[in-house]
Amino acid sequence: NAGVMQNPRHLVRRRGQEARLRCSPMKGHSHVYWYRQLPEEGLKFMVYLQKENIIDESGMPKERFSAEFPKEGPSILRIQQVVRGDSAAYFCASVKTSGYTDTQYFGPGTRLTVL
Amino acid sequence: AQSVTQPDIHITVSEGASLELRCNYSYGATPYLFWYVQSPGQGLQLLLKYFSGDTLVQGIKGFEAEFKRSQSSFNLRKPSVHWSDAAEYFCAVVPSQTGANNLFFGTGTRLTVIP
Repeated sequence: NAGVMQNPRHLVRRRGQEARLRCSPMKGHSHVYWYRQLPEEGLKFMVYLQKENIIDESGMPKERFSAEFPKEGPSILRIQQVVRGDSAAYFCASVKTSGYTDTQYFGPGTRLTVL
Repeated sequence: AQSVTQPDIHITVSEGASLELRCNYSYGATPYLFWYVQSPGQGLQLLLKYFSGDTLVQGIKGFEAEFKRSQSSFNLRKPSVHWSDAAEYFCAVVPSQTGANNLFFGTGTRLTVIP
């Protein structure tokens, strides 16, 4: 049973470019969380999605960031016009249901570097 | 303000020695409590979790944690550390009163194990 997959593992972008980060949840999981880890900090919640629905985007910056989780295919976190401050590790976690007792399984992360 | 505090940024222990990593939280009601471990370049792995009941929780890899309501703490312990335990450890909570299930993380404690 494959775990949560994220790609690419490393992504380098120049300022002003777009970054697309992908997350494939574990089989049977229909809920995905995205977290961002800035250098020397803990993870911070960004957005929570169910297939075809954004449930909670309270942690997402208001501009340049968007997320989706289509009926088919991976969840995508999209960052437009990247800036140096976007350099971070981005983790997704998948969970089977919306219940708090369900364990969130984390992917290996995408490390974004903005030059 | 609501927060998760890990007061020790970096801890060094000798292999075979005991370990205690501290975690304090400040939330109005007792949150749901978690400890995760992150090895270099990897995602997070759940060590253990506490929702209710017995305040001493057993986890994987020989770890345990004790919930102390009076101290708002959830410290992680291991009686004998192995070199493979070197990693970053994160305490996390889900506030029980919000209805949301996203995790709030502390800033982490980096564990170094010396031979």
